[in-house]
Amino acid sequence: EPEVTQTPSHQVTQMGQEVILRCVPISNHLYFYWYRQILGQKVEFLVSFYNNEISEKSEIFDDQFSVERPDGSNFTLKIRSTKLEDSAMYFCASKMSSTNEKLFFGSGTQLSVL
Amino acid sequence: DAKTTQPNSMESNEEEPVHLPCNHSTISGTDYIHWYRQLPSQGPEYVIHGLTSNVNNRMASLAIAEDRKSSTLILHRATLRDAAVYYCIPTGANNLFFGTGTRLTVIP
Repeated sequence: EPEVTQTPSHQVTQMGQEVILRCVPISNHLYFYWYRQILGQKVEFLVSFYNNEISEKSEIFDDQFSVERPDGSNFTLKIRSTKLEDSAMYFCASKMSSTNEKLFFGSGTQLSVL
Repeated sequence: DAKTTQPNSMESNEEEPVHLPCNHSTISGTDYIHWYRQLPSQGPEYVIHGLTSNVNNRMASLAIAEDRKSSTLILHRATLRDAAVYYCIPTGANNLFFGTGTRLTVIP
């Protein structure tokens, strides 16, 4: 079965540094998402992206966050100036269409902010 | 999105059937009921979804109450690999909003 690929699997950074988390969604998918999960807590929606623009974002997705699809295959999440509370597992997801298609998740990037 | 209520945890013996309940009394008429699961240290994984009729796939069955205010995910024979957190997500939107789910423990 096709997979959503995320790199790196682990990222350690210093507080205040910029990080970019990378994702390669499934090739014919059109809708892209970022979620995060703080250790021991629930999976939280961050942002959805379609047709080269943000469709919806949560309150968590403030000005420190941005997303980009720089080419036909990658989908990135950038955090401009990381905070300790940004430490979490970040999941990328994609799906083919806007109907009730299933969402495919990557295995995540564990971000640790020191 | 509809508010959901799921048991925090459940246990099952290996090779036994498991019925995971979900209440979603505020579901709207066009919301599909999605089930995802999250195995330890992995991303969420699609299990099944339906609107009104019961649904079956290779992973599980979904039984939807006639009034759609509740549903039950059925794993016909639990294996150790089915130990995970199971999320019931009624939604008509493009996005999924996860609750706290039910942690299923499978006992060998």
